[in-house]
Amino acid sequence: KQEVTQIPAALSVPEGENLVLNCSFTDSAIYNLQWFRQDPGKGLTSLLLIQSSQREQTSGRLNASLDKSSGRSTLYIAASQPGDSATYLCAVKEDTGKLIFGQGTTLQVKP
Amino acid sequence: DVKVTQSSRYLVKRTGEKVFLECVQDMDHENMFWYRQDPGLGLRLIYFSYDVKMKEKGDIPEGYSVSREKKERFSLILESASTNQTSMYLCASSSGQGAWTEAFFGQGTRLTVV
Repeated sequence: KQEVTQIPAALSVPEGENLVLNCSFTDSAIYNLQWFRQDPGKGLTSLLLIQSSQREQTSGRLNASLDKSSGRSTLYIAASQPGDSATYLCAVKEDTGKLIFGQGTTLQVKP
Repeated sequence: DVKVTQSSRYLVKRTGEKVFLECVQDMDHENMFWYRQDPGLGLRLIYFSYDVKMKEKGDIPEGYSVSREKKERFSLILESASTNQTSMYLCASSSGQGAWTEAFFGQGTRLTVV
């Protein structure tokens, strides 16, 4: 059974720092991996999608990498801002079409 | 833009009531999902549908049922609401099984059962 783990569970950094969020998964037979952002009490907003054949994707200050063979993905946030404060979740898509989520990393960026 | 719309943001129901949570997507997606989210437990899959009238149980289907009569609409039904079903419910949709297919979420329904 696929298991997705995110470390750390919480992170607090000063504004302007670069940071890395980690996601690991146990079964490398995935279609893709997606990173989401969730603000308190809200739904999930898609940030980046990496197909299983890709190594990385970039959007603005965000860069996501995927190493399928080792079961790892990272989300790199450059020059963090207070507005980046949120919970970040990763999810893998199985061949059944199901999405399996990690528990998320709650990020606080202090001004 | 893809839109996934959940019928209510907040809902308060009494124990024993039959509760319907509705989700509609406008992008002709084959797959639709219902998750619940609880502090410390993350997102847990309740039910998954990959086509009209097709459904699969997720990790926690007990006490829930679903209906998908039309491609754009996926309903979650709490047959007899209980206090342990108080939670945030999230609906999502995605297209098929390809590697390029992105999942999109609704805004969530905060359900309180009293």
